[in-house]
Amino acid sequence: AQTVTQSQPEMSVQEAETVTLSCTYDTSENNYYLFWYKQPPSRQMILVIRQEAYKQQNATENRFSVNFQKAAKSFSLKISDSQLGDTAMYFCAFMKHGGSQGNLIFGKGTKLSVKP
Amino acid sequence: GAGVSQSPRYKVAKRGQDVALRCDPISGHVSLFWYQQALGQGPEFLTYFQNEAQLDKSGLPSDRFFAERPEGSVSTLKIQRTQQEDSAVYLCASSFQAPRIGEKLFFGSGTQLSVL
Repeated sequence: AQTVTQSQPEMSVQEAETVTLSCTYDTSENNYYLFWYKQPPSRQMILVIRQEAYKQQNATENRFSVNFQKAAKSFSLKISDSQLGDTAMYFCAFMKHGGSQGNLIFGKGTKLSVKP
Repeated sequence: GAGVSQSPRYKVAKRGQDVALRCDPISGHVSLFWYQQALGQGPEFLTYFQNEAQLDKSGLPSDRFFAERPEGSVSTLKIQRTQQEDSAVYLCASSFQAPRIGEKLFFGSGTQLSVL
């Protein structure tokens, strides 16, 4: 069975600084997908970034980028130029290739606070 | 509608009571998912519909949980004889097409169920 571990329950960062959120996972699958989701206090999950395991190039979306280390089964999220609106819970998630889209395995989340 | 709508936003039930949670997906979305998010945890997959067909219910925790989507649009998650461990946020998500990698999921804001 696959597991996703987020070892940082809470993080804080000053506005405009850079922060990195950690995620490790365990799987015997070779093809899979990894995601970072943001959940603000409204509770609505919002996709931040997605990485396909067979792609060596790290995904980027504006201020958000990932460091994907397949051998180490590590998938960290870097947020550059942090903004107050980035304050939220961040969840790392795994989906195996061929799996039912939406059948995601989530970590326990990291609460990120951006301070002015 | 503009987004995935869930109602009620909050529900308090006495132990043993039956509850029904509603999800209105984005119009035209084929796929619909239910997730359960316990306090301090990431969401956990419950069930998946493609149109009116329930194709995956592997995540439903017991036979007290039942979901339906009779006309392929609105979905209802019903919990019979609620117990305290059912207390959680129930999230609904939809996507435009049948499941495939890369198809974006749109989440609602969830229903927070508290069983006393």
